[in-house]
Amino acid sequence: KAGVTQTPRYLIKTRGQQVTLSCSPISGHRSVSWYQQTPGQGLQFLFEYFSETQRNKGNFPGRFSGRQFSNSRSEMNVSTLELGDSALYLCASSPGLKVDTDTQYFGPGTRLTVL
Amino acid sequence: QKEVEQNSGPLSVPEGAIASLNCTYSDRGSQSFFWYRQYSGKSPELIMFIYSNGDKEDGRFTAQLNKASQYVSLLIRDSQPSDSATYLCAVTFGNEKLTFGTGTRLTIIP
Repeated sequence: KAGVTQTPRYLIKTRGQQVTLSCSPISGHRSVSWYQQTPGQGLQFLFEYFSETQRNKGNFPGRFSGRQFSNSRSEMNVSTLELGDSALYLCASSPGLKVDTDTQYFGPGTRLTVL
Repeated sequence: QKEVEQNSGPLSVPEGAIASLNCTYSDRGSQSFFWYRQYSGKSPELIMFIYSNGDKEDGRFTAQLNKASQYVSLLIRDSQPSDSATYLCAVTFGNEKLTFGTGTRLTIIP
């Protein structure tokens, strides 16, 4: 099975711009979760989508949003970029059927740099 | 606030020895526990998961869970230089998604 893919792998933006990141989960997986990883804060959960609906949400401002399509592919959008949004954005895919024992598999990540 | 705590290290272990990584969590209701390995500049990769008290072995890796004491550990036997990485502990609290610890950096010394 192909793994989780994320595009683009690297991105450079300037403050105030917006950005859209894409994630294709493992075939058959219906849940996609997004995480932000920074050296200071570690891995922080942004949100999870399951069957095109947001099922869980972390503590991030409304500038961070996402969606999921009928083929389970997901996009994450960040508007009005700030310098502090520079991070590695990771997408994780899982079957999603049983939340408490769901096993997540990570994609390679998108490295976002905000100048 | 649900918390997962790990010693950030670095933890240095001689090649061939046993590396022991520990993780504590704040919520007694936690149900699922995962260990991920992350090489520098790469994304986390799943090593093991454990749901029940006791030990679970997979090759050179053993996960140990003690729900009464609220800790989970990962033992790596016959440590190899390729095991040098950051090890992330992650815990599921109820229906919430994974909460990660900040990771322990492990260095295997040849």
